[in-house]
Amino acid sequence: AQSVSQHNHHVILSEAASLELGCNYSYGGTVNLFWYVQYPGQHLQLLLKYFSGDPLVKGIKGFEAEFIKSKFSFNLRKPSVQWSDTAEYFCAPKSPNTGNQFYFGTGTSLTVIP
Amino acid sequence: DAGITQSPRHKVTETGTPVTLRCHQTENHRYMYWYRQDPGHGLRLIHYSYGVKDTDKGEVSDGYSVSRSKTEDFLLTLESATSSQTSVYFCAISERRDREAFFGQGTRLTVV
Repeated sequence: AQSVSQHNHHVILSEAASLELGCNYSYGGTVNLFWYVQYPGQHLQLLLKYFSGDPLVKGIKGFEAEFIKSKFSFNLRKPSVQWSDTAEYFCAPKSPNTGNQFYFGTGTSLTVIP
Repeated sequence: DAGITQSPRHKVTETGTPVTLRCHQTENHRYMYWYRQDPGHGLRLIHYSYGVKDTDKGEVSDGYSVSRSKTEDFLLTLESATSSQTSVYFCAISERRDREAFFGQGTRLTVV
């Protein structure tokens, strides 16, 4: 778990503001990357994923993420947030270097004010 | 949603009693995981399985054991529940070790 870092623990935005949540990992070599969202009282759901190819990936609900290999980063973005985006967001890399485990970042809590 | 069922969904138990949580999947996925979620700690991996009878420890395995005798079932046992194990427990499954995981609805466990 120490190899996944989400810098922002709690973010508060007004509706229509832009969002960027940071995620850094420390695995070398091949890595697959995921962002999950957890709405209040619910389980985690996959938001988007990156395996290879275009480093800019688009997910559901207008979210996108950019993989920057040189920076070991996979930041999540959304141009204009809505109140319904209030949730907790988790970054999770998967790498053969970590064996069969699947570790998550500590999460970022996003509150969107109407 | 993937076919994952956790049971029970809610449980209150007393300190010192054993507790078993069940995760059942209908996807025939090889990998299964147990996590606990606590405020300020995110998701922490307790144990995981990479096949029938193949399990290993995660980062917070003390006080927990697991078993997987069938592909579809992954059991988490708290051998002697303590108040520090009050948490929300999530099960997840994955088809391959490098692929995304799908989560169950969670079990809210309270140890009094």
